[in-house]
Amino acid sequence: DSGVTQTPKHLITATGQRVTLRCSPRSGDLSVYWYQQSLDQGLQFLIQYYNGEERAKGNILERFSAQQFPDLHSELNLSSLELGDSALYFCASSPPRTGDTEAFFGQGTRLTVV
Amino acid sequence: ILNVEQSPQSLHVQEGDSTNFTCSFPSSNFYALHWYRWETAKSPEALFVMTLNGDEKKKGRISATLNTKEGYSYLYIKGSQPEDSATYLCASRSNDYKLSFGAGTTVTVRA
Repeated sequence: DSGVTQTPKHLITATGQRVTLRCSPRSGDLSVYWYQQSLDQGLQFLIQYYNGEERAKGNILERFSAQQFPDLHSELNLSSLELGDSALYFCASSPPRTGDTEAFFGQGTRLTVV
Repeated sequence: ILNVEQSPQSLHVQEGDSTNFTCSFPSSNFYALHWYRWETAKSPEALFVMTLNGDEKKKGRISATLNTKEGYSYLYIKGSQPEDSATYLCASRSNDYKLSFGAGTTVTVRA
């Protein structure tokens, strides 16, 4: 158990709908990362937050948004869902130590858009 | 488009044999290189984090090297065992804090 909690584990929804994925980082970790893994694709970086502020942005669609709350949990909002948004969405967190530190991954949320 | 490239995409190795595979990444704006092990139905787990050119790290039978000037890292598995079967991901962290992953090398160890 990495200490990173993602809910829900599975989500099935229809095209055009909106969903929210939730991530609770490890205790003490200030950074939260969101990744998307589609079929035959590697882990695609979406966005990173550090202590409530957006720090880095990847290839995140305009239909997607995220935020990190004062208690450091994060939510990824996906709207106007399309079939191609079906994927495994991972959240990861890392601690605020100096120097570089590894990321700890949650178990992922599998989103199926039908 | 991935700017972190891993090769080969997959490989099969006989139990007891050693193997290695490559991760290449942009050498400009480089901050650190991560290796993760990703087993089926689990989430990725970190193996190594390396920052300095020439770094070598070792964990049991698995080791990694880093060349930041030319932008590549090797992961080595010595005396492969069935439990080494997994997808090995590398990730490059740049100075703008992004942590970008490669597509992975899937290793299958045959008994």
